[in-house]
Amino acid sequence: GESVGLHLPTLSVQEGDNSIINCAYSNSASDYFIWYKQESGKGPQFIIDIRSNMDKRQGQRVTVLLNKTVKHLSLQIAATQPGDSAVYFCAENIDAGNMLTFGGGTRLMVKP
Amino acid sequence: DADVTQTPRNRITKTGKRIMLECSQTKGHDRMYWYRQDPGLGLRLIYYSFDVKDINKGEISDGYSVSRQAQAKFSLSLESAIPNQTALYFCATSENRVSTDTQYFGPGTRLTVL
Repeated sequence: GESVGLHLPTLSVQEGDNSIINCAYSNSASDYFIWYKQESGKGPQFIIDIRSNMDKRQGQRVTVLLNKTVKHLSLQIAATQPGDSAVYFCAENIDAGNMLTFGGGTRLMVKP
Repeated sequence: DADVTQTPRNRITKTGKRIMLECSQTKGHDRMYWYRQDPGLGLRLIYYSFDVKDINKGEISDGYSVSRQAQAKFSLSLESAIPNQTALYFCATSENRVSTDTQYFGPGTRLTVL
């Protein structure tokens, strides 16, 4: 079946560097994507979203890029900080009925 | 103050016991969801409710039941718990908006079934 997945299960970066977390999706009908951050012992927290009619969206220190041609989504974190250490999930909305499908997650580790 | 709360936060129980997990929200959202999360896996949908009179099965509903007591409350029950139901359980809510409906999650309940 079609699913959302991630290329890298663990990403280790130096504090101050930029981080890029990737996500592949296979359903071309997906029209809405969300990135969540999950810190240890907490529930997923919304970071940023993007609709399929956009290819880039920026937030505070974060940017989401959507490449519909290759069905690829990425989350870029600028000047990564220790507080960014967490597991990051991408999720897609397939049918506009608000049923999200989640990827397995990527763990981001920030080295001081 | 948390917008989505879950009780209990941690629970250890024995096989065969009935367990209820509670979720409350103050966001005024119509839609509520229950997910489970297993180590190394993403979130999988158990049940969801789009309003008080609406209950729908998700991807992994077997062994679970739910009750939507009010707009703000959505509870998940395990009628007879089994060890492979040991997991993290998350409740989520969303507004009733078409196609860009972000879900907001509670802090989770860690359930261990011995």
